[in-house]
Amino acid sequence: DIVMTQSPDSLAVSLGERATINCKSSQSVLHSSNNKSCLAWYQQKPGQSPKLLIYWASTRESGVPDRFSGSGSGTDFTLTISSLQAEDVAVYYCHQYYTTPFTFGPGTKLGIK
Amino acid sequence: EVQLVESGGDLVQPGGSLRLSCSASGFTFSSYDMHWVRQAPGKGLEYVSTISYNEFSTYFADSVKGRFTISRDNSKNTVYLQMSSLRVEDTAIYYCVKRWGYSSGWFDYWGQGTLVTVSS
Repeated sequence: DIVMTQSPDSLAVSLGERATINCKSSQSVLHSSNNKSCLAWYQQKPGQSPKLLIYWASTRESGVPDRFSGSGSGTDFTLTISSLQAEDVAVYYCHQYYTTPFTFGPGTKLGIK
Repeated sequence: EVQLVESGGDLVQPGGSLRLSCSASGFTFSSYDMHWVRQAPGKGLEYVSTISYNEFSTYFADSVKGRFTISRDNSKNTVYLQMSSLRVEDTAIYYCVKRWGYSSGWFDYWGQGTLVTVSS
């Protein structure tokens, strides 16, 4: 199984400042057919289902604010929120959809400093 | 608009059984593999199971293999998760999930979840 790890476990950032969350997969999730990484990011607010933010490691889902961006390839990935807003308080998960069993990172809890 | 609505969650004793249902709408259900993902209280996301669009293939996480089965009724746009020999550690919110592609890609739509509590 591909093991996903995230760092940090939790993070507190001031409003308007940058937040950076890292994700690492135990093996490459690079899809050979299109040279894109099978890595997605989700945001989950309390009491809600996860919401898709990013797929193919760096493609923003329709309707997601452009302050959210994803980067990385192969085994190392980053989710960046360029200017933290109050509504961004949530837990963020990375997810590999390269192969079954699909696996998720343990989550990073993002709060306001 | 894609909608996934789960039902069937309940309080059940260890060793008991339960069947979850997920009613889908807003897309061509019979063309897509369907999936279940669960989340224990205060914990992260755990992939549980997949059924192919034509029911020909299924996949289960090791943690539920041999205890859970998955099925679907394409005439009713519904996918089911039959859970047996339930354990306390199966306590979780169970989400019905659709992938972007017929059998590939990220999870693009999630249901609201249904809570299964296994306790004596």
